Amino acid sequence: EAGVAQSPRYKIIEKRQSVAFWCNPISGHATLYWYQQILGQGPKLLIQFQNNGVVDDSQLPKDRFSAERLKGVDSTLKIQPAKLEDSAVYLCASSPSGRPYNEQFFGPGTRLTVL
Amino acid sequence: GQQVMQIPQYQHVQEGEDFTTYCNSSTTLSNIQWYKQRPGGHPVFLIQLVKSGEVKKQKRLTFQFGEAKKNSSLHITATQTTDVGTYFCAHNPTGGGNKLTFGTGTQLKVEL
Repeated sequence: EAGVAQSPRYKIIEKRQSVAFWCNPISGHATLYWYQQILGQGPKLLIQFQNNGVVDDSQLPKDRFSAERLKGVDSTLKIQPAKLEDSAVYLCASSPSGRPYNEQFFGPGTRLTVL
Repeated sequence: GQQVMQIPQYQHVQEGEDFTTYCNSSTTLSNIQWYKQRPGGHPVFLIQLVKSGEVKKQKRLTFQFGEAKKNSSLHITATQTTDVGTYFCAHNPTGGGNKLTFGTGTQLKVEL
């Protein structure tokens, strides 16, 4: 079974530039998550999708971050414009639906460096 | 929100020694999940505990959920170099669906 795919794996940009990350979840997983993991910290949820609808985006900085999952499969996360403090690893995860407290399967992440 | 703290933040052990990390909450938790993240890697699910006082074992790893469902522990017997990484506890906040809130993590280093 293929895991969660993410691209790119690494990205270096200058502050105020824009960047986009892509995620393809495990086939059949209805729930998709984007996390931000700053060095030395645990992952922090940015947004959760159930199929193509947003379940939770309470911690998404909506003035600069946006995400979509138009067809309920793959998803993109965009930052525009980037700030220095956005330097982090952006992790995508997916989980099946149908029962509570599902385990989450994480992708390899995209390491973003903002200069 | 329901914050979970982990202690210790770092732990260095000699190979063969035991290791324990603790996850503590001031409020009752619905569940606990444990994840392992290798250096440069991504979190990988290890186990989930749901019942009060639950104990689960995976080879050298023993996971416990407290009777009051406010704390949990992960114990590794006779550590190996393959155990190196950061161990995170996580839980689903009450009413939060399948959203996960992660603890602060314990970084384990194992020396030969």
